[in-house]
Amino acid sequence: QVQLAESGGGVVQPGTSLRLSCAASGFIFSSYAMYWVRQAPGRGLEWVAVISFHGRDKFYIESEKGRFSISRDDAKNTLYLQMNSLRPEDTAIYYCARAPPSGPIDYWGQGTLVTVST
Amino acid sequence: IQMTQSPSSLSASVGDRVTITCRASQDISNDLAWHQQRPGQAPRLLIYGASTLQSGVPSRFSGSGSGTDFTLTISSLQPEDVAIYYCQKYHGGWTFGQGTKVEVK
Repeated sequence: QVQLAESGGGVVQPGTSLRLSCAASGFIFSSYAMYWVRQAPGRGLEWVAVISFHGRDKFYIESEKGRFSISRDDAKNTLYLQMNSLRPEDTAIYYCARAPPSGPIDYWGQGTLVTVST
Repeated sequence: IQMTQSPSSLSASVGDRVTITCRASQDISNDLAWHQQRPGQAPRLLIYGASTLQSGVPSRFSGSGSGTDFTLTISSLQPEDVAIYYCQKYHGGWTFGQGTKVEVK
């Protein structure tokens, strides 16, 4: 069955960096676009970054361009999100999700919590 | 493109028919999905292509609409439907609506 397992979250200080990982299994990872979607405490869903199935196309929410970087390693079936210069407002659960090319998100991971605080 | 849901919350009785609307600021054809997020859980896909039910989703859920106006309907509300429901545009932009919280009276 499809599984998406995020890791790498934790409590960090403002200005530091963090790399999130998402280990995928149960499907052909290289055939799917992959997303990072975040949810701040008590707030709604916000897509952060998307990478195409072939990895050549990457898109970011406007507010995070230059700070966040999405990548994938198809040999390891793993998605990454490198987050730099973290701010308190980056505090959120970060979900990994998959989507078929030109299709909707059809599976979500359970999320990893990132807390940016002094 | 902005996605606007209404209402932001609603409370209904078990067995009631519930309708949630989602409006896009531009024509998005039928590139519209609905996701359900139960308390403390990750979201899950309910409907895609505006009206196609994802495998395993109960048939009391249905979606309709195209262009700018979309609707999610729960034909007979069940206790396990307590959740926040999000619409999402996909294919050339991935904006979520702000969510609609559904509670049972």
